[in-house]
Amino acid sequence: GIQVEQSPPDLILQEGANSTLRCNFSDSVNNLQWFHQNPWGQLINLFYIPSGTKQNGRLSATTVATERYSLLYISSSQTTDSGVYFCAGGNAGGTSYGKLTFGQGTILTVHP
Amino acid sequence: SQTIHQWPATLVQPVGSPLSLECTVEGTSNPNLYWYRQAAGRGLQLLFYSVGIGQISSEVPQNLSASRPQDRQFILSSKKLLLSDSGFYLCAWSLQYNEQFFGPGTRLTVL
Repeated sequence: GIQVEQSPPDLILQEGANSTLRCNFSDSVNNLQWFHQNPWGQLINLFYIPSGTKQNGRLSATTVATERYSLLYISSSQTTDSGVYFCAGGNAGGTSYGKLTFGQGTILTVHP
Repeated sequence: SQTIHQWPATLVQPVGSPLSLECTVEGTSNPNLYWYRQAAGRGLQLLFYSVGIGQISSEVPQNLSASRPQDRQFILSSKKLLLSDSGFYLCAWSLQYNEQFFGPGTRLTVL
């Protein structure tokens, strides 16, 4: 099956700093999502981004499908950005049924 | 708009007792449904998925089973819980195998 590697595993920032989180895949995927898990465990959808670049406020993501990686950018970080960030990938078609394989996550801590 | 519900939110059960966790989706039809488990606060592992009523596929051998008695209802069960079944269980839905949306989760502690 697909292996998903996230880096860094932990990240500590001061408020206002920028950061980049990376996700590498062992095989091609055409289903790729980024999530933020809040302190209550809820997974919040950040981006559905099988390819290309998307932006939503201070967050943006880029997926280079041919090189099997995706990046999540957080600019001007705030304390409310703290939590765990997951990427997950899989394949939408055939017998894959959209199943997602998750990375181990990046724990982000933003200090005031 | 679509919403997904899970209950209970938290559950503490003794070893050897049965389990039933429920997930329901509102506002859509014929969704694909998924059960994931998160242990130790890190990555999620897919346990079961379903593409239709009565159709269940298991991803990993385990002490758990799943059922889909109605189009928008997905149930996770066990006849006898083990300590290793403790964890955070999340249900998700998608259409056309694309973006998945997750419920609030059930935190299970087996003592």
